[in-house]
Amino acid sequence: DAGITQSPRHKVTETGTPVTLRCHQTENHRYMYWYRQDPGHGLRLIHYSYGVKDTDKGEVSDGYSVSRSKTEDFLLTLESATSSQTSVYFCAISPPATNEQFFGPGTRLTVL
Amino acid sequence: DAKTTQPPSMDCAEGRAANLPCNHSTISGNEYVYWYRQIHSQGPQYIIHGLKNNETNEMASLIITEDRKSSTLILPHATLRDTAVYYCIAENAGGTSYGKLTFGQGTILTVHP
Repeated sequence: DAGITQSPRHKVTETGTPVTLRCHQTENHRYMYWYRQDPGHGLRLIHYSYGVKDTDKGEVSDGYSVSRSKTEDFLLTLESATSSQTSVYFCAISPPATNEQFFGPGTRLTVL
Repeated sequence: DAKTTQPPSMDCAEGRAANLPCNHSTISGNEYVYWYRQIHSQGPQYIIHGLKNNETNEMASLIITEDRKSSTLILPHATLRDTAVYYCIAENAGGTSYGKLTFGQGTILTVHP
């Protein structure tokens, strides 16, 4: 299995609080991604990174920001969490020139 | 990116071949067909991909029609552990797409004893 971890694995928070999810890889892959998964919507891309300090928006980026200060870590931040951001969040990594993504175990976030 | 169409659900008996179809009639010449699966509560798992030729690996076979408008993922001897949602995705490989994937609703495959 690809060396990819997510933390925390579960989090319950209140509306309006900031939340940061961490994705950590040991594979030294260049590309990293954040998805969210909700019933009826499948997986949707939030943000992605194609290198250190190089990030871009995905399909559902509103309300989220990301940072990648080193190859192994990709952080997803909800500046002010809302109930609509209750979801399961998956991180994925991929070597360049391929779409073979390796996914982490997911973080279940509940915003009350 | 090409849109793919998959049946919402399929059943298969354990030990039999599972044949999962995917329609991608608007696929462009430089788009590959990728298959992923997601077992309940886990992150998706890469299965196989192909451009024009049929492909086989230890998990599955991928059959792409000559006109590339459809494909079939074959699990030769399905087991109960193959019960999952299977996603068919058509995307440019890496490059300017940065390896991004667009997931649809997929096919829920249920393997029964």
